[in-house]
This record gives sequence, structure tokens and C-alpha cells, in this order.
Amino acid sequence: SAVISQKPSRDICQRGTSLTIQCQVDSQVTMMFWYRQQPGQSLTLIATANQGSEATYESGFVIDKFPISRPNLTFSTLTVSNMSPEDSSIYLCSVDQGQDQPQHFGDGTRLSIL
Amino acid sequence: GQQLNQSPQSMFIQEGEDVSMNCTSSSIFNTWLWYKQDPGEGPVLLIALYKAGELTSNGRLTAQFGITRKDSFLNISASIPSDVGIYFCAGHLPYNQGGKLIFGQGTELSVKP
Repeated sequence: SAVISQKPSRDICQRGTSLTIQCQVDSQVTMMFWYRQQPGQSLTLIATANQGSEATYESGFVIDKFPISRPNLTFSTLTVSNMSPEDSSIYLCSVDQGQDQPQHFGDGTRLSIL
Repeated sequence: GQQLNQSPQSMFIQEGEDVSMNCTSSSIFNTWLWYKQDPGEGPVLLIALYKAGELTSNGRLTAQFGITRKDSFLNISASIPSDVGIYFCAGHLPYNQGGKLIFGQGTELSVKP
């Protein structure tokens, strides 16, 4: 399976600031996704990162708050904008290599907002 | 939207005991996945199920894809302390529906040595 590296692994940020999370894969993948995991909760899909075009956002998530880039088939970024304490979560990148291969996840970015 | 109901939410068992957890859905999935998440890490795939009725094993783990395609269970036999963690089921939507995963709420497993 693909090796997925997420950076940073954790951060503590001030309210009102923005943070960009990077996801790097060691091979080209068909699809990349960004999930949020709030404390003690399950994973919720934020958006599908589309290569060369705008991301596809799930209900309740908007581009202004969570801008996403995917410049090529191995890299994506998620920005959490204008952060508030409610954004304190684990943000996870996952990849799908297509052809019914299961999705694999990075180790996540643990974000705390003061 | 699609929802997965996973139970139980938590389990406290003695080392050596067997464990069973399950997921049900109001929707049909073509693929069911089971992941385990340890503290400080992302979910790690345990078992993938692709066919209705399929029974698949991975060491002490056994999972089945329900015949109706709306449910799945995961069994862990002879539990050991390193089985501690949170287990998630996930249904995989077809690629023509976005190819995304829908997750259950998770089962937190504690194993007493």
C-alpha cells in the first residue's frame, strides 16, 4: 500500500490564524480525501481533493473555511482558516488507488486552538 | 444521508476472551472495511470485504460481509493487550458516487491482562 506522510503531526495555534496541512504520497493515487475527527468521535469526510480542479466538499464544509489544493497525483494540502477552538480536531488524509483498493490513511495532524 | 450504526460503543474484556462487534446500515454498500486506530495514529486497515456473504480472516480477526450488504461483523479471538484501541467499520461508496467512506461510530476496546 501507499506510504502517506502528513505534516505537521501536531500543532497548537492561536484563534483567528490559519494552518496548512500537507499530505504527501509515495506513489500516484487516483483519489485523495480529507477527514476530520473531533475529540472522541468518528471520522467525517470534509472533501475530496481533485487533481487540477476544485475540491468536492461535503455538506457542512465550505471552501472558504477549508481550502484544499491538489496540484498533482501525489500531493495535497488542507488549510484550516480563521481557526476557533471548535476546530480542535485530528485532520486525516486518505488515499484511494482505485480499482476497489481500500483507502489508507496518514497518521493525522492533531490541531489544538487556544 | 448514509449512516452506519456500530455497536457496542465500548467493551472491557479479560485477556484471552473473544470479542464481537458489528455494523448495520440503512444503505447497501459494495465494500465493507474494518480499521483499527491506536492513540496518536491514523486508522489502519484490518480487513476488506468485497462480496456479500464473504467471510475473511486475518490472523485472530474474522469479518463477514452480510448477505443483504447492509451489515458486517468483526470477531477477535483470544484477545491480547495489544488489541486495545478503537475499531471502526466503514462502508465504501462506489466511485460513481464519489468513492468515499462512511464510518461507524467506533468500538473502543479495553483488554485487562
